[in-house]
Amino acid sequence: DGGITQSPKYLFRKEGQNVTLSCEQNLNHDAMYWYRQDPGQGLRLIYYSQIVNDFQKGDIAEGYSVSREKKESFPLTVTSAQKNPTAFYLCATQVGRGGTEAFFGQGTRLTVV
Amino acid sequence: GESVGLHLPTLSVQEGDNSIINCAYSNSASDYFIWYKQESGKGPQFIIDIRSNMDKRQGQRVTVLLNKTVKHLSLQIAATQPGDSAVYFCAEDSGGTSYGKLTFGQGTILTVHP
Repeated sequence: DGGITQSPKYLFRKEGQNVTLSCEQNLNHDAMYWYRQDPGQGLRLIYYSQIVNDFQKGDIAEGYSVSREKKESFPLTVTSAQKNPTAFYLCATQVGRGGTEAFFGQGTRLTVV
Repeated sequence: GESVGLHLPTLSVQEGDNSIINCAYSNSASDYFIWYKQESGKGPQFIIDIRSNMDKRQGQRVTVLLNKTVKHLSLQIAATQPGDSAVYFCAEDSGGTSYGKLTFGQGTILTVHP
């Protein structure tokens, strides 16, 4: 069953803690992306990676970190430096470098308690 | 309609009506555009796309129109059904060094009344 798997679906974090959101894909897509979505808002790009062992900052990278050690995996760490981390996080993949649709996972809802 | 950076608009229609959702984009260099549908608590789903060398593309019950002169994109949904109720986003691929990085609009909430 091909697709993008994000886990966990819901995540609660205490202030001051780092948490890592998982994104795994078996679509063999080169490019992977992390977006943040706040209520009533569009998607904002956090980080993206177009090839293994390489990634670039998006528009709102502060307080986040990523790695791309394997083609299938692009985990996102929300660090304690992110002052307002409560949001819906979406991972996406894309064939090649662009000019094609992005496929999305089902998202992880992160809440700071 | 929606525009990148503006507040989330809403559109209410009756079942069976046609719906038109609008999107204004700002980057004249953008050469690829996508419409997504997002249901509550889920990830966006691809609806239809269009490249800048086209001005119209049709899918099943959906049509996307692109007007590059005024940088405007629209999604038309024929015979709208309650299952079409969702938030609709347009996205643009800016090309150049940002090739592959999509910029999303704020979205339009579509509500279909039975």
